[in-house]
Order: sequence, then C-alpha cells, then structure tokens
Amino acid sequence: GENVEQHPSTLSVQEGDSAVIKCTYSDSASNYFPWYKQELGKGPQLIIDIRSNVGEKKDQRIAVTLNKTAKHFSLHITETQPEDSAVYFCAALPTGGGNKLTFGTGTQLKVEL
Amino acid sequence: NAGVTQTPKFQVLKTGQSMTLQCAQDMNHEYMSWYRQDPGMGLRLIHYSVGAGITDQGEVPNGYNVSRSTTEDFPLRLLSAAPSQTSVYFCASTTGLGTQYFGPGTRLTVL
Repeated sequence: GENVEQHPSTLSVQEGDSAVIKCTYSDSASNYFPWYKQELGKGPQLIIDIRSNVGEKKDQRIAVTLNKTAKHFSLHITETQPEDSAVYFCAALPTGGGNKLTFGTGTQLKVEL
Repeated sequence: NAGVTQTPKFQVLKTGQSMTLQCAQDMNHEYMSWYRQDPGMGLRLIHYSVGAGITDQGEVPNGYNVSRSTTEDFPLRLLSAAPSQTSVYFCASTTGLGTQYFGPGTRLTVL
C-alpha cells in the first residue's frame, strides 16, 4: 500500500518568513495530493490540493509543488502570519484506491512574532 | 450546508462499556470514513463506506463496528471500550474526486 513520509515534524519560523513542508510517497500510481490544516481542537481542513497532471498550484500565500519522478510534493507558505500556526498534514491518493487517502504524520508549524 | 457533524464532542467511558459515535453529512457524498488521531501517528483509517449498505475495513478496524443504512449517516460503534481506544475520532465525507471534508471530532477517553 501507499506510504507517506512528512518532514519536518516541527517547524518554527519568524512572522513574515517562508515555511516549507515536504512529503514523499511510495506508490507511483498516486495521483491526488491534498494538504490539510488542523487548528487546535478542530478537524483538519483542506487548504490546497494538486493532481498528478500539474506541477505547481498557487492560492494566494500558499503553493504546492509536485515532482512525480522523485515522488515528492511540498507545501510552501510565504509571508507567514501568526494565524498560520497549526498542524499541517499531507496525503496521497492512489489511482484505483477508491477514496482511501494515506496521510503523513503531520508538521506542527509555529509562527513567532 | 452543515457539512459533516459529529456527536458527542467529548466522552468518557469505563473499560468494557459500549457506545456509538454519530456522524452525519448533508452533501450527498457516497464515500464516508472514520479515522482516529493519536499523537505522532497522524490519521489512521478505521472503517469506510462507499455507499449505503456497503462498508469495509481500514487500517485499524479491531474493536469497532460500522453500518451505513442511509447516505447521510455513518455511525461508529465501540463494542467493549479499552484504554487503547482513547483517541480523537474524526468522520469524513468525500467527493467523487477524492476531496475529503472532516467533522469537528469526538474526544474519547477510556478509563
């Protein structure tokens, strides 16, 4: 089955700096890669996703890049703000895997003033 | 749309007790799933359903039962609670393209 590794497990940045979280996946048949943000005491919320026919996708301060050859994808947050502090999860969905996402173990992002 | 709703928000059980965690969605999604979230282990799939009357096991199904009598509801039953089931439980509903929407979670403690 699919295996997703996520790094780093914790990340601390100064407000205004950029943050990058990286994930690798094992199943070359995976074709959908969402990113979720989980604030304390809440359920994960989808913030951006990318499909395997695209190399990069942007939404304001958030971007995701995908390297299918190397089987890794990354989340980039620019101009970080205190409200970006949360746990971020990456996930992968294999083709033909129904809708069974495999999640990374999460990154605790802390944006310091 | 209320999206995905879960009840209760918090629950404390004694070892051996049973209970049902409720989950409902109003988005008419066929696919629903249950996850548990433990520190350092991300989200692990317990059971899932691809439509009313159809359920299947995920990664960690032992000790849990599910049923899906309607498109909207997907309850999770703990048959005989154990301390190892102390966790946060999330229900999710998924579009046909794989986009998953999560509920707010149920925080369960088993003493």
